[in-house]
Amino acid sequence: GQQLNQSPQSMFIQEGEDVSMNCTSSSIFNTWLWYKQDPGEGPVLLIALYKAGELTSNGRLTAQFGITRKDSFLNISASIPSDVGIYFCAGRSDSGGSNYKLTFGKGTLLTVNP
Amino acid sequence: GAGVSQSPSNKVTEKGKDVELRCDPISGHTALYWYRQSLGQGLEFLIYFQGNSAPDKSGLPSDRFSAERTGGSVSTLTIQRTQQEDSAVYLCASSPGPSSPTQYFGPGTRLLVL
Repeated sequence: GQQLNQSPQSMFIQEGEDVSMNCTSSSIFNTWLWYKQDPGEGPVLLIALYKAGELTSNGRLTAQFGITRKDSFLNISASIPSDVGIYFCAGRSDSGGSNYKLTFGKGTLLTVNP
Repeated sequence: GAGVSQSPSNKVTEKGKDVELRCDPISGHTALYWYRQSLGQGLEFLIYFQGNSAPDKSGLPSDRFSAERTGGSVSTLTIQRTQQEDSAVYLCASSPGPSSPTQYFGPGTRLLVL
């Protein structure tokens, strides 16, 4: 099946620093999504990417859909304490019979030191 | 509008007992997903419902797990004869339809099997 490698597993940074995390896939995806999960909550959609090379921003967050369609990255600029949480990437392939399924990375745990 | 809701938010049960977890999707969303999230892991797909079509049960880990969706809306995930390894967060998500890659998650049910 499809595999997603998300890195880093965890990050510990100082408030104000920029953060970068990425996901790579063993196969091509047609859609990349980035979610954030706060403690005790479900994942919340941050950014959706639909086209290879697409660069999309949502406030201090910027995500890109890799040209090869096998990777994506998420950047957070000028981190603040409320950025703490687990960030998940997810990909969807439109080929095959299960194109309604998302494949999730294992998440990046972000800790921000005030 | 209202998001995805799940109940109970927490459930502690004894090994061997049956449990029922409930999900109310966003009104009008025809696609519904159940996932399991174990500590430090990504989201494991369990089952998918789309309208009146036969569900995709390919992710259910054993025959102790079952789910139904009544009237195309509320869904119930049932775990029979619970085992300690069933302890996890069970997340429900809904989507406007199979062609929409964006899934909206509920807060989850935290299940602890003693």
